[in-house]
Amino acid sequence: QVHLQESGPGLVKPSATLSLTCAVSGVSISSSNWWTWIRQSPEKGLEWIGDIHHSGATNYNPSLKSRVTMSVDKAKNTFSLRLTSVTAADTAAYYCAREGGNGIPVSGVGNWFDPWGPGTLVTVSS
Amino acid sequence: DIVMTQSPDSLAVSLGERATINCKSSQSVLYSSNNKNFLAWYQQKPGQSPKLLIYWASIRESGVPDRFSGSGSGTDFTLTISRLQAEDVAVYYCQQFYSTPWTFGQGTKVEIK
Repeated sequence: QVHLQESGPGLVKPSATLSLTCAVSGVSISSSNWWTWIRQSPEKGLEWIGDIHHSGATNYNPSLKSRVTMSVDKAKNTFSLRLTSVTAADTAAYYCAREGGNGIPVSGVGNWFDPWGPGTLVTVSS
Repeated sequence: DIVMTQSPDSLAVSLGERATINCKSSQSVLYSSNNKNFLAWYQQKPGQSPKLLIYWASIRESGVPDRFSGSGSGTDFTLTISRLQAEDVAVYYCQQFYSTPWTFGQGTKVEIK
């Protein structure tokens, strides 16, 4: 059974960089799937951040693209998120998820998200 | 961006009764090349992450009870819970994966009347 687990600091200072890692178990991250980050806040609801393939191909939400970098570590079976220059508006629960389906996001064909990790709350505050 | 709008924002239904949630997309999510609607439904219980219920607008994910069903095409979709159970209390979201950025509805909270 596929399981995902987010990890990273729960508190980040304004203007700093938010870094999170998602550990994947039960399947190789080098499978055909894409892997995604989503966040949830009371203000914006569920917001897709971006996704990544083990080949290194990425697909980012244009609203965050200038601040987001995603990467994959095949040896550790993990993928990561970096979000720079954070503000209070970046306070949210952050989720990682596997994408189901055969879509290739960089070609404009997407996938649903399943399963999701339990999420990690990140607060941006000094 | 495709805007997903759900209605109602919340509803209270008696146990054993039907719950109906609507989702409208600002443009069609029907992909002409395979005639599939690029829409999914999720359930989020308090304190938990969202869980996939339905994809391709009407295909139930493995293990999801058959009282959950999805319908619709193009821009108008419906999630129906045919006989509401206590464990169905949750917030339900629709999501389009037709056009990037993938977007979600604002959620519909289902409670017991």
